[in-house]
Amino acid sequence: DVKVTQSSRYLVKRTGEKVFLECVQDMDHENMFWYRQDPGLGLRLIYFSYDVKMKEKGDIPEGYSVSREKKERFSLILESASTNQTSMYLCASNFRDRVYEQYFGPGTRLTVT
Amino acid sequence: SQQGEEDPQALSIQEGENATMNCSYKTSINNLQWYRQNSGRGLVHLILIRSNEREKHSGRLRVTLDTSKKSSSLLITASRAADTASYFCATRRNSGNTPLVFGKGTRLSVIA
Repeated sequence: DVKVTQSSRYLVKRTGEKVFLECVQDMDHENMFWYRQDPGLGLRLIYFSYDVKMKEKGDIPEGYSVSREKKERFSLILESASTNQTSMYLCASNFRDRVYEQYFGPGTRLTVT
Repeated sequence: SQQGEEDPQALSIQEGENATMNCSYKTSINNLQWYRQNSGRGLVHLILIRSNEREKHSGRLRVTLDTSKKSSSLLITASRAADTASYFCATRRNSGNTPLVFGKGTRLSVIA
C-alpha cells in the first residue's frame, strides 16, 4: 500500500514565522509535489521535484521554497508566513515512468494568524 | 493554470439516484483522470481514461470521454451517502513526466 504522510494535520503559526511542512512517501517515487487548496480555486501547484535535489516551480511559488535532500522526503518552507498563506496543503508523489496516478497525503491545514 | 473545469460546482441528490459530473478541458490530452476527496482529506485516484477510449467502467463508476468536445463525464450509479465527497478531473499539461492539472471540483452531497 502506497503511503504518503504529512507531518501535521493541523498547524497554527504566527505571521512572520518560518514554517516547515514535511512530506514523506514510502514507495520510492521519483516525483513529488506540493499543492495548496483553497475554496473556489481548487488545487494549485506550488513546487514539484523529479528527483533528489531537483525542484521546479509550479504555478504559485511566490513566498515558498522547497527542499529535497532525500528521495522519500519533500519539504515545503514558508520563509515568513503571511495570513494569505492560510490554506490546506497537499503533498503528492508518483513514479516517473508511471505518471498516470498520483498518490496524495492527508493534507495539512495551516492557519496563519 | 486550470486545464479542467468541472460542472456543476455542487450537486445534491438522494441516495439511490445517479450522479453525473462533467469536466471540460482546453488542450489536447493523452489521458484524463478522476479523483475523489473526502472532506478535509487528500485526493484518491478513481479512474483513468485514455484519449483513444470513449468509455470506461469501474464498479459503480462510468467515465466517458469526448475528445472532439474536449469533455468528460463521471457517472456514479445508485449513489450512497458514503459517496459524499468532492470530485476532480485532472489532465496532464504536456506529454511525458509533467504535473497534473486539476479542475476546481464538483462537491457531491448524497442525502440518505
